[in-house]
Formats: sequence, C-alpha cells, structure tokens
Amino acid sequence: EVQLVESGGTLVQPGGSLRLSCAASGFTLSTYEMNWVRQAPGKGLEWVSYISSSGKTIYYADSVKGRFTISRDNAENSLCLQMDSLRAEDTAVYYCARRSGLDIWGQGTMVTVSS
Amino acid sequence: DIQMTQSPSSLSASVGDRVTITCRASQGVRNDLAWYQQKPGKAPKRLIYAASSLQSGVPSRFSGSGSGTEFTLTISSLQPEDFATYYCLQHNTYPRTFGQGTKVEIK
Repeated sequence: EVQLVESGGTLVQPGGSLRLSCAASGFTLSTYEMNWVRQAPGKGLEWVSYISSSGKTIYYADSVKGRFTISRDNAENSLCLQMDSLRAEDTAVYYCARRSGLDIWGQGTMVTVSS
Repeated sequence: DIQMTQSPSSLSASVGDRVTITCRASQGVRNDLAWYQQKPGKAPKRLIYAASSLQSGVPSRFSGSGSGTEFTLTISSLQPEDFATYYCLQHNTYPRTFGQGTKVEIK
C-alpha cells in the first residue's frame, strides 16, 4: 500500500526549533517530488514547501521563507522539514504530500507553538 | 501569487441533491487544478486531477470541469458520506494555492 507517515510534531515554545519527518512506504520516495502543507486549527489548507526529486529545486511559502528548510534523505526514503524561529502562527497540522499535484497525503502531525 | 476564489464557502443540501462548487483563479492555470475532500480529523483526499480526471477509486457521482480560470466540482447525487469540506488547488505555479474551502452540510 502506498503510504506516507509524518512524525515529529509536538509542543514547542515560541522561538524554538522542530524537525518533522515523513516516511514513505509502498513506493520509492526518492523518485518523486514532495511537498509540505499545513492546516491551522479550524482553518484551510496552506502550501508550505516543495522539493524536487533530485533536491536541487526548492520553493517556500513567503510565510516560512528563511525559517523553514526542506530536505530529503533518499537513502532513508524520507523527507524532512526543519522549522526554526517558530511562531504561534505556525501552529498547525503538517502534512507531507507526494508529487507536484499532491496526489497522496500523510495523516499529518500536530505542531503547537505556545509558551 | 495566484489567488483561488472558491464559492460558496458553505452550503446545506439533502441526500440526493446535485451540488456544484466553483473555483476561480486570478490568472490562467490551464487544467492544473485538483479537487480534494476532507473530513474532520482526516487528511485531504484527492477526488479530481487535471481539472476533470476522476481519481481511481472515487465514485463516478463526482465530476470536474473547466480550464483556464473557471472550474467546477459537481456531485450529481449527494450521499451521506459526502458531507465534508472540499478544496480546490492550483498546481500550475509556485506558490501552490488552495481555495478557501466549501463546507457541505446536511440540510
């Protein structure tokens, strides 16, 4: 079964850092473009970041540019999102999603930024 | 950035009703448009890709149409399991942008 599983979400203080991971099963993640999307509580979907299959092309939403870093570990078949200088408004469920057309999504991991 | 304006933001409908949701892009996105269904506490599920192609396993009562800047998602006969929130997504350019969502509720 094709599946994505996110992990790493937790409660963190404003200004803190967190690293999210996304593991793939049923397919080889290294051959696909990948994205992160988030959803604040009770709100809509917001695209966060994209990385090409080679890792050479990367895009970020303006709201996270300079604070978040997307990367991939093709040997481990995983995707990461390093989140620094976290703010209250970064509180959300974070999803990883496959392909530029976001065909397959993980179940999400909750990040809460609060003191 | 391309803005996606989705309407209505919510609607009430009965089982068996025909439901139409519209998404308008602020500039042309060709047919690089997808529709998602999201139920509370769950991840979004893609229903339609390339504006009008039905995702494998999705019931045929769901259909999509449009190209360029105007798109519609139609549910031909609403079923109890279809009560959810629906989002459009343009994947023509970065940043990717979603519509604000349409919550379909039981009348």
